[in-house]
Amino acid sequence: DAGVIQSPRHEVTEMGQEVTLRCKPISGHNSLFWYRQTMMRGLELLIYFNNNVPIDDSGMPEDRFSAKMPNASFSTLKIQPSEPRDSAVYFCASSLASVTTYNEQFFGPGTRLTVL
Amino acid sequence: EDQVTQSPEALRLQEGESSSLNCSYTVSGLRGLFWYRQDPGKGPEFLFTLYSAGEEKEKERLKATLTKKESFLHITAPKPEDSATYLCAVQAPSGGSNYKLTFGKGTLLTVNP
Repeated sequence: DAGVIQSPRHEVTEMGQEVTLRCKPISGHNSLFWYRQTMMRGLELLIYFNNNVPIDDSGMPEDRFSAKMPNASFSTLKIQPSEPRDSAVYFCASSLASVTTYNEQFFGPGTRLTVL
Repeated sequence: EDQVTQSPEALRLQEGESSSLNCSYTVSGLRGLFWYRQDPGKGPEFLFTLYSAGEEKEKERLKATLTKKESFLHITAPKPEDSATYLCAVQAPSGGSNYKLTFGKGTLLTVNP
């Protein structure tokens, strides 16, 4: 299997621009997670989907952030407008989960975002 | 609020020098404790899941253990290729979510040849 695929791997943009990060989860997985990693705060969960439905978005920092999962094989995380403090590495992860089974999450390679 | 504290923040070992990494946690209703390894420029890679106090799991030179308040990752006779950041995460019900992982900030392990 190809693993979790993320694109782009690197993104440099200017403050105020829209940024869209993309993720393709592992085939057959029903849960998808978006994380942000910084030196100061470590790895933080932003939002997670189960069966394409957003379940918990309490980690989304503000209204500038939005995430969608139109189907089981694709998700996007959008930042509009972007700000320098959004600079971080964004990871997507997927898992096969049920109500009673807590399985490991498999992470993608991440997107390094730099907002100038 | 779930809390996960890892210590030390950084650890330097000589090849063959065994040691342990610590992960202390405060959660309500632990569902599982996960260990991940992260190499520079890559995503975290799953190592172990522990579900209940007293449980142990091993993989090559690594052994993870779990008590009611903390987990240890024991590294026996490490090699330079074991150098990485080791992340601990706890899974507990949160805000209606059964799958939320709360991560510690990690321990950066460097093994010198």
